[in-house]
Amino acid sequence: EDQVTQSPEALRLQEGESSSLNCSYTVSGLRGLFWYRQDPGKGPEFLFTLYSAGEEKEKERLKATLTKKESFLHITAPKPEDSATYLCAVQAGRSGNTPLVFGKGTRLSVIA
Amino acid sequence: ETGVTQSPTHLIKTRGQQVTLRCSSQSGHNTVSWYQQALGQGPQFIFQYYREEENGRGNFPPRFSGLQFPNYSSELNVNALELDDSALYLCASTQSSSYNEQFFGPGTRLTVL
Repeated sequence: EDQVTQSPEALRLQEGESSSLNCSYTVSGLRGLFWYRQDPGKGPEFLFTLYSAGEEKEKERLKATLTKKESFLHITAPKPEDSATYLCAVQAGRSGNTPLVFGKGTRLSVIA
Repeated sequence: ETGVTQSPTHLIKTRGQQVTLRCSSQSGHNTVSWYQQALGQGPQFIFQYYREEENGRGNFPPRFSGLQFPNYSSELNVNALELDDSALYLCASTQSSSYNEQFFGPGTRLTVL
């Protein structure tokens, strides 16, 4: 069974204090690993897709990396507007129709 | 290019009632998936529709059913509502023939009393 575990459950940072969120996964045949940002009461907003170990992607203060067992979302010099829940999901199989399996998310609070 | 839209935004029902939630896919996307997200949890896959047919189902009972229409819009129907059905219901669309990501709508918050 495909599984995703995210840690920590919650993280509180001072503005400018860099840190990393972890996503550990077990999946049969990884098609893609996805990071989403979710604000309270809203739908997840797509951030990144990673397809193979060693791949890295960046967007503003966020950088996502992937190994064969886990992914990290690095946040550099965060700002209060980065406060949100960050969700990690994996997609297995050979087609784009397979469902995403999500972790429970990391709730990030950035304090000014 | 329009994004994924969902209606209604919020809904309150009582136990035993039936509900229909609606989703319009992103332009050019022919596959829609529905997810249930309980408070403090990640989204859980309910089912997926591709070209108007169910194309995969998660661990949800038959009282959760759906439809996809020729214009790729979709409905989620839930019969005999239970208190545990209270959640944020999300739909996500994708273009199945590519490696494109799934894009989510804003969700419908369902409260069952």
